[in-house]
Amino acid sequence: DSGVTQTPKHLITATGQRVTLRCSPRSGDLSVYWYQQSLDQGLQFLIQYYNGEERAKGNILERFSAQQFPDLHSELNLSSLELGDSALYFCASSPGRGRRGYTFGSGTRLTVV
Amino acid sequence: KNQVEQSPQSLIILEGKNCTLQCNYTVSPFSNLRWYKQDTGRGPVSLTIMTFSENTKSNGRYTATLDADTKQSSLHITASQLSDSASYICVVADRVLGNSGNTPLVFGKGTRLSVIA
Repeated sequence: DSGVTQTPKHLITATGQRVTLRCSPRSGDLSVYWYQQSLDQGLQFLIQYYNGEERAKGNILERFSAQQFPDLHSELNLSSLELGDSALYFCASSPGRGRRGYTFGSGTRLTVV
Repeated sequence: KNQVEQSPQSLIILEGKNCTLQCNYTVSPFSNLRWYKQDTGRGPVSLTIMTFSENTKSNGRYTATLDADTKQSSLHITASQLSDSASYICVVADRVLGNSGNTPLVFGKGTRLSVIA
């Protein structure tokens, strides 16, 4: 157990739908990062939050959004889902701004049918 | 062009053999270079982290090397085991991005290692 908890582990939904993925960071970590990993692809950075504030944006679609709550857990919202959104979504956390102590969760596998 | 390139893309070796995975990067300046192991369908797990001043770092049967002059790193696995079958990802921390508050990690696409009996 890495200390970073992601729920749900698996999600199957239809095109056009909206889903929410949840991440609880490791105790004491202030930064949360979201990544998307499509089949046989490297991890693509989506967005980072630090202590409740958006810190950096990567290749995140406009249909996707995220937030970090006061208790530091984070949610990634994916809307108007398309088949191509099927992927593993990983959350990682770190104490500060990602230098060390960067820990990944086990991911949420999203399948859009 | 990806700033972190890994080779080979995939590799099959016999159990008990050694292997070396390569990583070339263009990220500069960088804070540290990491190697992660990712089992299928699981999150990446850190194997080694090296700062730009370190040349080598070991973690059990895994040994990572770093040549900051040539911007190359390698991960050597000795006496491979079936459980070593996974993707191995090279990740470079961009010092400029890190200092500006942006996420500093640049990921390679990984080398898929299969260890067979």
